[in-house]
Amino acid sequence: QVQLQQSGPRLVKPSQTLSLTCAIAGDSVSSNSAAWNWIRQSPSRGLEWLGRTYYRSKWYNDYAISVRGRITINPDTSKNQFSLHLNSVTPEDTAVYYCSRNTDYWGQGTLVTVSS
Amino acid sequence: QSVLTQPPSVSAAPGQKVTVSCSGSSSNIENNYISWYQQLPGTAPKLLIYDNNKRPSGIPDRFSGSKSGTSATLGITGLQTGDEADYYCGTWDRSLTGGYVFGGGTKVSVL
Repeated sequence: QVQLQQSGPRLVKPSQTLSLTCAIAGDSVSSNSAAWNWIRQSPSRGLEWLGRTYYRSKWYNDYAISVRGRITINPDTSKNQFSLHLNSVTPEDTAVYYCSRNTDYWGQGTLVTVSS
Repeated sequence: QSVLTQPPSVSAAPGQKVTVSCSGSSSNIENNYISWYQQLPGTAPKLLIYDNNKRPSGIPDRFSGSKSGTSATLGITGLQTGDEADYYCGTWDRSLTGGYVFGGGTKVSVL
């Protein structure tokens, strides 16, 4: 059974960087059959896929065009986790953020509010 | 405006059947596998259907999925009060914007 545990600040100031971590139990971030995603949900934007990282002999990343240039998703093999960094945030980035493996397993969600 | 189009709501009486539609295009639904997710209030989405019509372990066969061309359908038979939730379709998109896309969600209500 795969379990994903999210952690990170729930309040971020405008123009700063939003950072979240997703710790993995029951699978490996280096798995050759998994992709590790970040997805967010807000009333105005619905469910929005942000990007993913995955390992297929080497590491790959894909990012949504809506956040490209502001987003980085990094694997951490030593801690079996992966992280989301979204910089230059605005109030429009306020949302519930989820990590997910292949969209079959999801973290518990973290409401992140962007406000001064 | 979501890339995939779903009706905002559907409803039926307990024991009846409901269907939820998901409309897309040749850049997403027609040429990719579709998944369906159930989201109960205050919880994360849960995978119900993957690869158009497959159910993960533990998902009852009351839930079914189908796809034809640029549209997909989720069916729920023997509707129960516990099925009241938001349902989302999702798939990969091969257009210039690309990425994984979701529908806007459909609220299923049990009358």
